[in-house]
Amino acid sequence: DAGVTQSPTHLIKTRGQQVTLRCSPISGHKSVSWYQQVLGQGPQFIFQYYEKEERGRGNFPDRFSARQFPNYSSELNVNALLLGDSALYLCASSLQGGLYEQYFGPGTRLTVT
Amino acid sequence: GENVEQHPSTLSVQEGDSAVIKCTYSDSASNYFPWYKQELGKRPQLIIDIRSNVGEKKDQRIAVTLNKTAKHFSLHITETQPEDSAVYFCAASNGNQFYFGTGTSLTVIP
Repeated sequence: DAGVTQSPTHLIKTRGQQVTLRCSPISGHKSVSWYQQVLGQGPQFIFQYYEKEERGRGNFPDRFSARQFPNYSSELNVNALLLGDSALYLCASSLQGGLYEQYFGPGTRLTVT
Repeated sequence: GENVEQHPSTLSVQEGDSAVIKCTYSDSASNYFPWYKQELGKRPQLIIDIRSNVGEKKDQRIAVTLNKTAKHFSLHITETQPEDSAVYFCAASNGNQFYFGTGTSLTVIP
């Protein structure tokens, strides 16, 4: 059974550009959460989606948006990229979100130049 | 919003000794507290979790305790081994949002 997958693995963008990151959850999982992890820090919560609805949002600007599709995969979009957006973006899936165990994907390393 | 504090930031122990990492949280609505282990260049992996209706949970050499009144929870690793060396993160969730601590870099000295 495949774990959480994310694409692409690495990405280099220029300031002001837009980026889309993708995540496929573990089969049977209906919730996806997104995190930003800067080197040396803990993951920062961005969004949680469950059954295609936004369930929770962290303290990130409106440049960050996400959605979840009928097959429970998800996309994270970041507009007007800033140098400070350079980080590892992690996706985590869980059975139903909320108080259930989360399993992380390998992440997408985004570099903004 | 929730504020999760984690201490210590670094911890070195001799192989076979115990390690304890402590976290505090601020939001009384938080009721799920997982712990993750992250090795260099790898994804965080869930090692143990506890829910607010439980005070203590143990899984082999790893245990977690929760004091809801004081809003703190701790990770205990006994009989540490070199492969326990990693960064450990605590987290707190109210079901809709997750907040992670700043991490503890644990080094187990052979």
